[in-house]
Amino acid sequence: GENVEQHPSTLSVQEGDSAVIKCTYSDSASNYFPWYKQELGKRPQLIIDIRSNVGEKKDQRIAVTLNKTAKHFSLHITETQPEDSAVYFCAASESNMRFGAGTRLTVKP
Amino acid sequence: ETGVTQSPTHLIKTRGQQVTLRCSSQSGHNTVSWYQQALGQGPQFIFQYYREEENGRGNFPPRFSGLQFPNYSSELNVNALELDDSALYLCASSLATGGYEQYFGPGTRLTVT
Repeated sequence: GENVEQHPSTLSVQEGDSAVIKCTYSDSASNYFPWYKQELGKRPQLIIDIRSNVGEKKDQRIAVTLNKTAKHFSLHITETQPEDSAVYFCAASESNMRFGAGTRLTVKP
Repeated sequence: ETGVTQSPTHLIKTRGQQVTLRCSSQSGHNTVSWYQQALGQGPQFIFQYYREEENGRGNFPPRFSGLQFPNYSSELNVNALELDDSALYLCASSLATGGYEQYFGPGTRLTVT
């Protein structure tokens, strides 16, 4: 089955800096790669996703890149703000979704 | 917030007991996936139901079972509860199986003592 690895497990940045989270996946059949943000005590919220026929997608301050050959994808957050502090999860799916272990992002004011 | 609801919000059970958790999917969604999220970890895939049939299962023992009803709501049943079953149980609904956005419910926090 699919195996998703996510790095780093924790990330601390200064407000205004950029943050990058990286994931690798094992199943070449995976074709859908979402990113979720989970705040303490709340449900995961979809923030951006990308499909295997696209190499990059951007939505305001967040962007995702996908390298199908290398089986890795990354989340980029620019101009970070304290409210970006949360746990971020990547996932990969062909039929069923598998999640990475998460990255705890802390943005210091 | 999504239109996905779960009940109950919290539950405390004793080891060896059985539990049923419920999930109502978002309107128009025919697929429900269930996940177990232990503290500090990512959601672990339990199984998925698509149009009332199981459509994939993660690495969970048979004492984890489920159902999907004609209105696409779903139940997760866990028999012979163990201490390690203590976790947040999340369901997520989507338009169909495969590469579609999944929208999560608020979760059920299960504590096994």
